[in-house]
Amino acid sequence: QVQLKESGPGLVQPSQTLSLTCTVSGFSLTSNSVHWVRQPPGKGLEWVGAIWSGGSTDYNSALKSRLSISRDTSKSQVFLKMNSLQTEDTAIYFCTRGGGFAYWGQGTLVTVSS
Amino acid sequence: DIQMTQSPSFLSATVGDRVTINCKASQNINKYLNWYQQKLGEAPKRLIYNTNSLQTGIPSRFSGSGSGTDYTLTISSLQPEDVATYFCLQHNSGPTFGAGTKLELK
Repeated sequence: QVQLKESGPGLVQPSQTLSLTCTVSGFSLTSNSVHWVRQPPGKGLEWVGAIWSGGSTDYNSALKSRLSISRDTSKSQVFLKMNSLQTEDTAIYFCTRGGGFAYWGQGTLVTVSS
Repeated sequence: DIQMTQSPSFLSATVGDRVTINCKASQNINKYLNWYQQKLGEAPKRLIYNTNSLQTGIPSRFSGSGSGTDYTLTISSLQPEDVATYFCLQHNSGPTFGAGTKLELK
């Protein structure tokens, strides 16, 4: 069945770079897009960006200058890198399959703090 | 970017009540509107997709309607397990979410 699972460091220092991995199973990255969505504690959901089935990417315009999304199709993994982290980037980061957004990972909490 | 205005932000209701939550898009989203339920510490769960299609396994008391810029989620008879936060998501263009509605029991 379709599954997504996020992994990465729970704590990142301010101004450092965040690296997250979304490992998927049950579908192909070359046939489906994968999106990143984040949720600050106690707040709503914010679309971060996406990598499409053909490998192109789209980013939230507010984050674009700090963000990079890539993938390794042989490992069924999607990667998010965000630099110059600030406390406002503290959030649960989810990956979700596009084409309907029915399937979500459980999320990983990233705390930006010194 | 398409903006989604969700209302109300907070809702208190009694078991058995009919509950409605609304999302208004800043432009026509061609019925590409999903509804999600999120409980504390969990990932969002899709309830309704493309305005009015019920996700498999979701109780029939949940329904969706709308067109153009205006969309509604209805719970026909509120149950205790429905206490959660509800979000809309438009995926017509560059997905955007509503701010959420926190639903509690009165």
